[in-house]
Amino acid sequence: GNSVTQMEGPVTLSEEAFLTINCTYTATGYPSLFWYVQYPGEGLQLLLKATKADDKGSNKGFEATYRKETTSFHLEKGSVQVSDSAVYFCALTGSYNFNKFYFGSGTKLNVKP
Amino acid sequence: EAGVTQFPSHSVIEKGQTVTLRCDPISGHDNLYWYRRVMGKEIKFLLHFVKESKQDESGMPNNRFLAERTGGTYSTLKVQPAELEDSGVYFCASSPYDRAPGYEQYFGPGTRLTVT
Repeated sequence: GNSVTQMEGPVTLSEEAFLTINCTYTATGYPSLFWYVQYPGEGLQLLLKATKADDKGSNKGFEATYRKETTSFHLEKGSVQVSDSAVYFCALTGSYNFNKFYFGSGTKLNVKP
Repeated sequence: EAGVTQFPSHSVIEKGQTVTLRCDPISGHDNLYWYRRVMGKEIKFLLHFVKESKQDESGMPNNRFLAERTGGTYSTLKVQPAELEDSGVYFCASSPYDRAPGYEQYFGPGTRLTVT
C-alpha cells in the first residue's frame, strides 16, 4: 500500500543554517508528491509538489526533487529563517486515486535567531 | 476569498459524550475531505465527499463516526459516543472538482478534540 516516512523531529537550527528533512515513500505506480507546512495556529498549506520522476518542486527558497530510484522527496533550504519555524508534512497521492492524501508524521522545525 | 473554516477550534468532552465538528469549505469546492492526526502521528484520511455524496469513506475508524454534508455545502463529523482514542486533531480540506494528478487540497486549521 501507500505510505510516507519522514524523519522525526524536532529539528532545531540556527538562522541561516542549511535544512534537510528526509522523506521516503512506498507506492505503486507513479504517485504525486507534496510538502505541506503548518505554521502555528494555522491550517496546512501547500509548500511545493512534484508529479513525475525527476521533477523539482520549489517555493519560498525550499526545494525537493522527486527521486523514483530512491523513492525519496527530501526537503531542502539553503538558509532558514526564524519565520520558517513550523511543522512540515511530506505526503503523496496515488497513481489512480488523486483524492486521498497519505501523510508522514510531520517534522517540527525550530529556527533560533 | 475565505479559506476552509472549522468549528470549534478546540473541544474537551468526557468519554461517552457526543461531539459534532463542523467544516465550511471554500465556496464552490465540490470536494470535501476529513483527516485526523492522533498523538502527533501521521495525518490519516477519513473520508471524501463529492458535493453531498460520500465518495470514499474507507478511512472512517468505526460506526461511532458519522459524517454528513448537507446540500453539498458545509459538513459535520459526529462522534457518538466518544472514546479516549478519538482524541486528536481533525482536519477538513476542500478542493475544486479536478481529476488530474497533483492538485492541491486546501486545509482548515483543524479542531483539537480531547476526550477525558
